[in-house]
Amino acid sequence: QKEVEQDPGPLSVPEGAIVSLNCTYSNSAFQYFMWYRQYSRKGPELLMYTYSSGNKEDGRFTAQVDKSSKYISLFIRDSQPSDSATYLCAITGGGNKLTFGTGTQLKVEL
Amino acid sequence: DAGVTQSPTHLIKTRGQQVTLRCSPKSGHDTVSWYQQALGQGPQFIFQYYEEEERQRGNFPDRFSGHQFPNYSSELNVNALLLGDSALYLCASSLWGDQANYGYTFGSGTRLTVV
Repeated sequence: QKEVEQDPGPLSVPEGAIVSLNCTYSNSAFQYFMWYRQYSRKGPELLMYTYSSGNKEDGRFTAQVDKSSKYISLFIRDSQPSDSATYLCAITGGGNKLTFGTGTQLKVEL
Repeated sequence: DAGVTQSPTHLIKTRGQQVTLRCSPKSGHDTVSWYQQALGQGPQFIFQYYEEEERQRGNFPDRFSGHQFPNYSSELNVNALLLGDSALYLCASSLWGDQANYGYTFGSGTRLTVV
């Protein structure tokens, strides 16, 4: 079993839709949860970071963590074609290495 | 913009050769981590350097080695290249002890193709 599981997609939605991206993890020692966006031929870009269970909102993006279920989500409201990218969840126990999911490829169509 | 700079952007090498990839961290960062991203996969942690020492290592063979210089820049060396080493190699910089608060800043990567 992988430490972090993420549906690779691809996921295709119409412009304006609400997008839900999810990851599950197995190690309860993980404490810090991040979402990165990666455009083609680019490095990952940090979108959201959260530590505790609950929701964190930043503009059109909401990160949600449920530590009891070991489940994290990223919601994108009013999705735009510019949101088309691969979204990676990344988790760490604190300090050193990040453990990534495989990434979900998202396409937002006009 | 003093982001993470990696060189070269693309590289083609032959099996058995050796390669060196370079990384300059974001201004103000003192820690460099290297990741390997195979096509269609998430990045995999190779190792992390702080104060010119390897602090943590992922599940990669000794063919993968690194170095950090006093100016915090870093090199990743891979010896005896295999076809399976073909991947995007990402450098991520951070501030030691503060990674959890601010995350890591990634470079655009070096695309290595082994033929």
